[in-house]
Amino acid sequence: GNSVTQMEGPVTLSEEAFLTINCTYTATGYPSLFWYVQYPGEGLQLLLKATKADDKGSNKGFEATYRKETTSFHLEKGSVQVSDSAVYFCALYSSNNAGNMLTFGGGTRLMVKP
Amino acid sequence: DVKVTQSSRYLVKRTGEKVFLECVQDMDHENMFWYRQDPGLGLRLIYFSYDVKMKEKGDIPEGYSVSREKKERFSLILESASTNQTSMYLCASSSMGAGVYEQYFGPGTRLTVT
Repeated sequence: GNSVTQMEGPVTLSEEAFLTINCTYTATGYPSLFWYVQYPGEGLQLLLKATKADDKGSNKGFEATYRKETTSFHLEKGSVQVSDSAVYFCALYSSNNAGNMLTFGGGTRLMVKP
Repeated sequence: DVKVTQSSRYLVKRTGEKVFLECVQDMDHENMFWYRQDPGLGLRLIYFSYDVKMKEKGDIPEGYSVSREKKERFSLILESASTNQTSMYLCASSSMGAGVYEQYFGPGTRLTVT
């Protein structure tokens, strides 16, 4: 079956540091890949997505590149802010997912200190 | 913008009570989902629906039921609430359109069963 593995958190960084959150996946075919962000006390928001190999998704200074050869979709940001403190979820959709379900990773908590 | 709303942000119920969690989306999406989110366990799918009056069990349906009488509304029902159902409940919706698989989430309902 499909699966998504994320690095365990929490990840603690100082403001303006470089961020990488690793995400690797197992899936049949050519999945679509997503990053979601959950701010404290809120639901999940779609942050970015990529639908085919070598695509780069980007939004709000975050970016992730769909690497089929390494089955990875790592999230990066060049300079984090305190307001980026949140939980980040990597997810995928594959054609063998029933009912357009997404497979989610376990989430990675990011804490940014001033 | 897609808007998914949930009837309550916080809810406190007693053991044995019947609990209704309501979710409404305004984008005419075919698919709707109910998840629960617990620390260390990530997101777990309870039920989903891909059409009115249709429902499918997710990973953890025990103790829950759902109702979808109208396309825009998806209700989660706890027939007899128990303390182990204390959790954050998230509703999501998505389109059935080809190549469009991202889900849109509501703000969540934090349910406490005492």
